[in-house]
Amino acid sequence: RKEVEQDPGPFNVPEGATVAFNCTYSNSASQSFFWYRQDCRKEPKLLMSVYSSGNEDGRFTAQLNRASQYISLLIRDSKLSDSATYLCVVTHDRGSTLGRLYFGRGTQLTVWP
Amino acid sequence: SAVISQKPSRDICQRGTSLTIQCQVDSQVTMMFWYRQQPGQSLTLIATANQGSEATYESGFVIDKFPISRPNLTFSTLTVSNMSPEDSSIYLCSVEQGKNTEAFFGQGTRLTVV
Repeated sequence: RKEVEQDPGPFNVPEGATVAFNCTYSNSASQSFFWYRQDCRKEPKLLMSVYSSGNEDGRFTAQLNRASQYISLLIRDSKLSDSATYLCVVTHDRGSTLGRLYFGRGTQLTVWP
Repeated sequence: SAVISQKPSRDICQRGTSLTIQCQVDSQVTMMFWYRQQPGQSLTLIATANQGSEATYESGFVIDKFPISRPNLTFSTLTVSNMSPEDSSIYLCSVEQGKNTEAFFGQGTRLTVV
């Protein structure tokens, strides 16, 4: 079983729509959780970290359910510029470093006008 | 945030040859990571490179195929040796840095083996 599973999509939504991505992880000892964004032919960049209490950054809300080993990302009021691939990432390390990152294969989002 | 310069950005190589990819970071970092991203797939860690020691390879990757150098705290190279078309992929280097320990990536090297 893969460490991190994501629905690859693609998700095609109109501007202004709300879209949600889900991700599951297999290792219950996973410690840190992130959503990265990868634009076409570009490197991944951190979108936001995911905390047990949930966190919000503008139009983006991330949530973690440790019991179900499930992570979600909600994007409200989608913009054309949100079109990208969203990568779910987990790590196992407890220390001050991230250690090895485990990536999902990404969920592709296209926002159309 | 860390700024990583990775080159070449792309290359087309003949099978049986080798390509060396370079990563330069604008600050000193303890660990550098090398990933591979095959089309439509997730990033897979090839190895972790620490300065002054042998790189640590993940299952399925060996030093003879992917030799790594880490001569100082700001630089690393990954060589893809004796290439075959199956090595066609994007290769990315990565470092951790920042108050909240964020992973930063180089721009990637898009390799096509013909």
